[in-house]
Amino acid sequence: DVKVTQSSRYLVKRTGEKVFLECVQDMDHENMFWYRQDPGLGLRLIYFSYDVKMKEKGDIPEGYSVSREKKERFSLILESASTNQTSMYLCASNGPFNTEAFFGQGTRLTVV
Amino acid sequence: EDQVTQSPEALRLQEGESSSLNCSYTVSGLRGLFWYRQDPGKGPEFLFTLYSAGEEKEKERLKATLTKKESFLHITAPKPEDSATYLCAGGGYGQNFVFGPGTRLSVLP
Repeated sequence: DVKVTQSSRYLVKRTGEKVFLECVQDMDHENMFWYRQDPGLGLRLIYFSYDVKMKEKGDIPEGYSVSREKKERFSLILESASTNQTSMYLCASNGPFNTEAFFGQGTRLTVV
Repeated sequence: EDQVTQSPEALRLQEGESSSLNCSYTVSGLRGLFWYRQDPGKGPEFLFTLYSAGEEKEKERLKATLTKKESFLHITAPKPEDSATYLCAGGGYGQNFVFGPGTRLSVLP
């Protein structure tokens, strides 16, 4: 079974803090993604990575950065958390040629 | 612009009452149409991939079909445990996915 594991299920952070969300996949997938999901807005792509040290901006990259130092790990960084970044964050991975993506369990982040 | 829409937004069924969910897509160079199930507070769980018009996939009470413009998720004799949000997504050029907003299904006992 493909496993995509996110480091936390729930996080509460203060405005202005630097926040790290970690994601690890065990299927040797080339591609990894970070989405946020908000009621009424659906899944929106923040960043994706198609190889180690490679990244592409998604639809809503402002206020976020990412790091992929190893193939299995993709980190999302909130440089200075703000209340409008309160959301469900989902990590996903897939292989080449638009195969299905597998998701982690999600991290519910609350910024107060 | 690539787009995926889903209807209805919400659907309430009695246990055993079959129905279909619709996913309409305009995705340049569609390379795959994906269906997911999402339970509240959890990540989406992969169900099916469809690659070409006319293709069908089945899993238990679910059957997914694909035409050139739409995909349908047919639910036969649903049970309360089928209650969830069902998402469809189109895979186009590059490696990204375009997700629809989802259909929230409730199956009442």
